[in-house]
Amino acid sequence: GESVGLHLPTLSVQEGDNSIINCAYSNSASDYFIWYKQESGKGPQFIIDIRSNMDKRQGQRVTVLLNKTVKHLSLQIAATQPGDSAVYFCAEYEGGNKLVFGAGTILRVKS
Amino acid sequence: DAGITQSPRHKVTETGTPVTLRCHQTENHRYMYWYRQDPGHGLRLIHYSYGVKDTDKGEVSDGYSVSRSKTEDFLLTLESATSSQTSVYFCAISAGSGYGYTFGSGTRLTVV
Repeated sequence: GESVGLHLPTLSVQEGDNSIINCAYSNSASDYFIWYKQESGKGPQFIIDIRSNMDKRQGQRVTVLLNKTVKHLSLQIAATQPGDSAVYFCAEYEGGNKLVFGAGTILRVKS
Repeated sequence: DAGITQSPRHKVTETGTPVTLRCHQTENHRYMYWYRQDPGHGLRLIHYSYGVKDTDKGEVSDGYSVSRSKTEDFLLTLESATSSQTSVYFCAISAGSGYGYTFGSGTRLTVV
């Protein structure tokens, strides 16, 4: 499939371990953040979101943490599975109705 | 992806020819977006629309134009394709700020 991951940071984890993917955002005025997952040859897929009035939000096997002081976002995946292998993007709303995307992180799950 | 369709999925075209990509949605969302994705650059916004006949430029709009004559369709035109426009193009839709985007499956365009 299309390679979108050239020169992206890569996280390799063992199946069953927890994964933590980090993202630094740029605009302190951003009030809404989203994590997307992109598998090879597919469009980005929504995973979880968080608003700026929250520090933490949990979904099924995923947790997003927001630290507004240092403008940092993280995505935690519990019990990582081979199907979690993908490129993960954070995105922030900078105002208006436009999302700005980070460069992405490749997650590789070793069986 | 549910509610959003891009066509064609793949296209090869020659330098200097015009090319039009289509994005069709069935969600009745107000906002539609065109992105391109290249290795090392992530997703970059080309143009977006906030309603019928209402469009605006993104960060990489040179060489591209768009049209939205009805809610469900958003067309991206490369006026005279160049090799630097070889890329994967994604359309996205949104109900508005705070709702996130839903992406299409992408169009892989190769300009030779």
